[in-house]
Amino acid sequence: EVQLVESGGGLVKPGGSLRLSCAASGFTFSNAWMSWVRQAPGKGLEWVGRIKSKTDGGTTDYAAPVKGRFTISRDDSKNTLYLQMNSLKTEDTAVYYCTTGSGKYFDYWGQGTLVTVSS
Amino acid sequence: EIVLTQSPGTLSLSPGERATLSCRASQSVSSSYLAWYQQKPGQAPRLLIYGASSRATGIPDRFSGSGSGTDFTLTISRLEPEDFAVYYCQQYGSSPPVTFGPGTKVDIK
Repeated sequence: EVQLVESGGGLVKPGGSLRLSCAASGFTFSNAWMSWVRQAPGKGLEWVGRIKSKTDGGTTDYAAPVKGRFTISRDDSKNTLYLQMNSLKTEDTAVYYCTTGSGKYFDYWGQGTLVTVSS
Repeated sequence: EIVLTQSPGTLSLSPGERATLSCRASQSVSSSYLAWYQQKPGQAPRLLIYGASSRATGIPDRFSGSGSGTDFTLTISRLEPEDFAVYYCQQYGSSPPVTFGPGTKVDIK
């Protein structure tokens, strides 16, 4: 059974940093393209970014609002995905989901972790 | 960037009725790269349809997808009580690779 479990959310002040983790199991993590998707309170889904598998280059892509502030990485030896978030803004407040699938759409989602950016 | 627009914003229907949800893209989208998700309050989204018309594993056949180019449709043939939720379309493209529509809420009339 595929499982994605996010952790690391919490309350942080504007300008601060936070690192989210996503522990994966039930599939071959090293072969998977992994993404982060967020959802602000009461709002829709917003793709944050993705990281390809190392065999496909391991490259990353980011949405414009987070480019230069957020970094996605992976540790295939630990089956874990990371999202390093720096220079956080109030508009980054959201539930952050870890997700994977075919690379074109998302079959599997974690339960999400809430990040609140507030002074 | 391909922008997705969904209509209506809210659809108020009764159980047993047919629901027709629209997703329109600002540029042509390959049918292979259009998906639909269902999200209930407090839950993660669930993949319903991929490739514009293929049902994901375990999705009942009352859900169907159609369309091509810039116009896509999700149809729920007969609404069950558990189908009242928010539905999002999503496309896969080049830059950025992924965009979602704003969602359509299907609520009970």
